Amino acid sequence: KAGVTQTPRYLIKTRGQQVTLSCSPISGHRSVSWYQQTPGQGLQFLFEYFSETQRNKGNFPGRFSGRQFSNSRSEMNVSTLELGDSALYLCASSSRSAQADTQYFGPGTRLTVL
Amino acid sequence: DQQVKQNSPSLSVQEGRISILNCDYTNSMFDYFLWYKKYPAEGPTFLISISSIKDKNEDGRFTVFLNKSAKHLSLHIVPSQPGDSAVYFCAARENFGNEKLTFGTGTRLTIIP
Repeated sequence: KAGVTQTPRYLIKTRGQQVTLSCSPISGHRSVSWYQQTPGQGLQFLFEYFSETQRNKGNFPGRFSGRQFSNSRSEMNVSTLELGDSALYLCASSSRSAQADTQYFGPGTRLTVL
Repeated sequence: DQQVKQNSPSLSVQEGRISILNCDYTNSMFDYFLWYKKYPAEGPTFLISISSIKDKNEDGRFTVFLNKSAKHLSLHIVPSQPGDSAVYFCAARENFGNEKLTFGTGTRLTIIP
């Protein structure tokens, strides 16, 4: 079974621009969560999508948004980029079908904001 | 407020010996715990998990212990191998249906050949 895939792997943007990241979950997984990893804040939860609906949201500003499509693929958008948005953005998928459910992570997208 | 804490930023262990990584949590609503291994510029790789109804779970060289009264869990790796050198994160989740994982700050494990 193919793992979680994320595109692009690397991205360089300038302040004020916007960016869209993509995530394809493991086949059969319907839940996709997004996380941001920075040296200062560690791994922090952004949001989770399940059945095309946002189910949970972390403590991030409204510039961070996402969506999920009917095939469970998800996109994350960051508008009006700031230098502090430079980070590794990770998505994780799970089946959300049992209590002992596990999230599996993709390789991440390294975003650099100049 | 750091709800999941890994108080040891780094740990060095001789190859073949036991590695013990520790994690403490403060949120009593957490009921599922996971350990991930991470290399730089890669996504975390799932290692092992444990539900709050258990106090131990084993998978090959990896064993996770959970002490709910102390709000403490630990990951034991026996025997340690050079390929185990990485950053290890513990993560916790609240009730089923809430997929949000709260991560610790990580422990860098170095296995000395």
